[in-house]
Amino acid sequence: AQSVTQPDIHITVSEGASLELRCNYSYGATPYLFWYVQSPGQGLQLLLKYFSGDTLVQGIKGFEAEFKRSQSSFNLRKPSVHWSDAAEYFCAVGPTGGGSYIPTFGRGTSLIVHP
Amino acid sequence: KAGVTQTPRYLIKTRGQQVTLSCSPISGHRSVSWYQQTPGQGLQFLFEYFSETQRNKGNFPGRFSGRQFSNSRSEMNVSTLELGDSALYLCASSLERLGGGRPETQYFGPGTRLLVL
Repeated sequence: AQSVTQPDIHITVSEGASLELRCNYSYGATPYLFWYVQSPGQGLQLLLKYFSGDTLVQGIKGFEAEFKRSQSSFNLRKPSVHWSDAAEYFCAVGPTGGGSYIPTFGRGTSLIVHP
Repeated sequence: KAGVTQTPRYLIKTRGQQVTLSCSPISGHRSVSWYQQTPGQGLQFLFEYFSETQRNKGNFPGRFSGRQFSNSRSEMNVSTLELGDSALYLCASSLERLGGGRPETQYFGPGTRLLVL
């Protein structure tokens, strides 16, 4: 069965510092990978996605993520964090069919930004 | 293009009651999925509807049900509410069905916050 692990429950960074949120997945084939962000009381907003091709993907709000098959990882990065980036971040594996039909989400990483 | 909308945004019910939540997908999207989000369990997949048929189902009791209409709008119903049903219920839409062999991106609505007293 597919699974997603976000090892960090909370991450605290200073405004202007760089950010990396970790995501590891378990999946039998090349997965479809997503990062979403959720502000308090809101739904999930898609930041970026990887389906195939270039392993470095660019998203909205200055975020990027790199797919590393050898490490089964899809880490999210941002070079300079803004206070408005404080939110919950979710990594997800999308179903590719062939017995996998249900998306799987990580437990989320809460980002705290200090001024 | 308007995003996914969910109504109502907030709801308070008592144990034993039933509740119906509504979701309107992005125009042109044919698949609607429902999720339950709680602090303890995180995001859990409830079910997916596509072409008015339930295609996939998560591990939830039969008290949780749904349907989809010909215009792709979907409703989710929870009968005999329990305290543990208090959660944020999220709806997500995608162009085509999940796991159909092509990558699909899900777009989420703002959610309905349900409180069961």
